[in-house]
Amino acid sequence: DAGVIQSPRHEVTEMGQEVTLRCKPISGHNSLFWYRQTMMRGLELLIYFNNNVPIDDSGMPEDRFSAKMPNASFSTLKIQPSEPRDSAVYFCASSRLAGAPDTQYFGPGTRLTVL
Amino acid sequence: EDQVTQSPEALRLQEGESSSLNCSYTVSGLRGLFWYRQDPGKGPEFLFTLYSAGEEKEKERLKATLTKKESFLHITAPKPEDSATYLCAVQALSNKLIFGAGTRLAVHP
Repeated sequence: DAGVIQSPRHEVTEMGQEVTLRCKPISGHNSLFWYRQTMMRGLELLIYFNNNVPIDDSGMPEDRFSAKMPNASFSTLKIQPSEPRDSAVYFCASSRLAGAPDTQYFGPGTRLTVL
Repeated sequence: EDQVTQSPEALRLQEGESSSLNCSYTVSGLRGLFWYRQDPGKGPEFLFTLYSAGEEKEKERLKATLTKKESFLHITAPKPEDSATYLCAVQALSNKLIFGAGTRLAVHP
């Protein structure tokens, strides 16, 4: 299996620009999670989906952040407009079982730098 | 409030010097406790899942244990390739993972 795939791996943009991060979960996994990792706050859950439906978006910092999962094999996290404080590594993870304790497998992450 | 605290923040060991990392937690309804390893520039890599107090899991030089309040990751005779950040996370009733800040382990030859 290819594992969780994220793109791009690195993104450098200027303040005010729109940023779109992409994720392809492991085939057959029914839950997808978006995390953000910073030195100050560690690894934080932003939003997660079960069977393509958003279940909990309480971790999304502001209305500038939005996430979609149009089908079982693709999700996006969009930031519009971006700000320097959004600079972080964004991880996508997926797990097999929706609504049950199950191992989450992480992608390699997207390192976002907002100038 | 669900919370995970890992100690120490950083640990330096000589090759072959065994030690333990601690993960203490408070959570309403523990569904599982997870250990991950993270290398610089990479995503967290799954190591173990523990579900109930008294449970133990082993993999090579690593052994994870769980009590009602904390988990330990024991590292026996570590090698330089064991150097990484080790993350502990708890899964509560909400199905969300709550991560600790991690322990940065450096093993020197």
